[in-house]
Amino acid sequence: RKEVEQDPGPFNVPEGATVAFNCTYSNSASQSFFWYRQDCRKEPKLLMSVYSSGNEDGRFTAQLNRASQYISLLIRDSKLSDSATYLCVVNVAGNQFYFGTGTSLTVIP
Amino acid sequence: DADVTQTPRNRITKTGKRIMLECSQTKGHDRMYWYRQDPGLGLRLIYYSFDVKDINKGEISDGYSVSRQAQAKFSLSLESAIPNQTALYFCATSRVTDTQYFGPGTRLTVL
Repeated sequence: RKEVEQDPGPFNVPEGATVAFNCTYSNSASQSFFWYRQDCRKEPKLLMSVYSSGNEDGRFTAQLNRASQYISLLIRDSKLSDSATYLCVVNVAGNQFYFGTGTSLTVIP
Repeated sequence: DADVTQTPRNRITKTGKRIMLECSQTKGHDRMYWYRQDPGLGLRLIYYSFDVKDINKGEISDGYSVSRQAQAKFSLSLESAIPNQTALYFCATSRVTDTQYFGPGTRLTVL
């Protein structure tokens, strides 16, 4: 079983739409959670960390559900510039980071 | 200047050749990582190092070796490259469980 699983998409949404991505993780010892953004052929870059109480950064909201072992990312008012692949990342017991395969988002004019 | 740099950025080589990919960082982080990325498989960990004297195998270390020459430098070697090692390779750094910072990647093609 993979450590982190994501729906690969693709998600194609119109500008202004709200879109949500989910990610599940298998290891209950997971300590830290992140969403990264990766543009085509570029390095992944941190979008936001995910905290137990949930957190928001502008149009982006992240949630963590430890009981069900999933994290989510909500993007409101989608922009063309949001088109990218979104990676769910989990850190287990302060050691390795595990990456999901990514969810592809295309925002359509 | 970039905090995490990788050289070369692109490399085409032949089966059986020895290849070294280099990573340098100016972030002062103790932890460094090497990943490869393949379409549909996401990022997979090859090796990681928590300090200069610490080297650990990741998920897919076979066919690879590493050297941590200094806190700021972490090199990945392919002793005898094979075509299925064609991939995009990323170096990353972090503090403990904190955010990882990635280099720009090395696109390696093994013919």
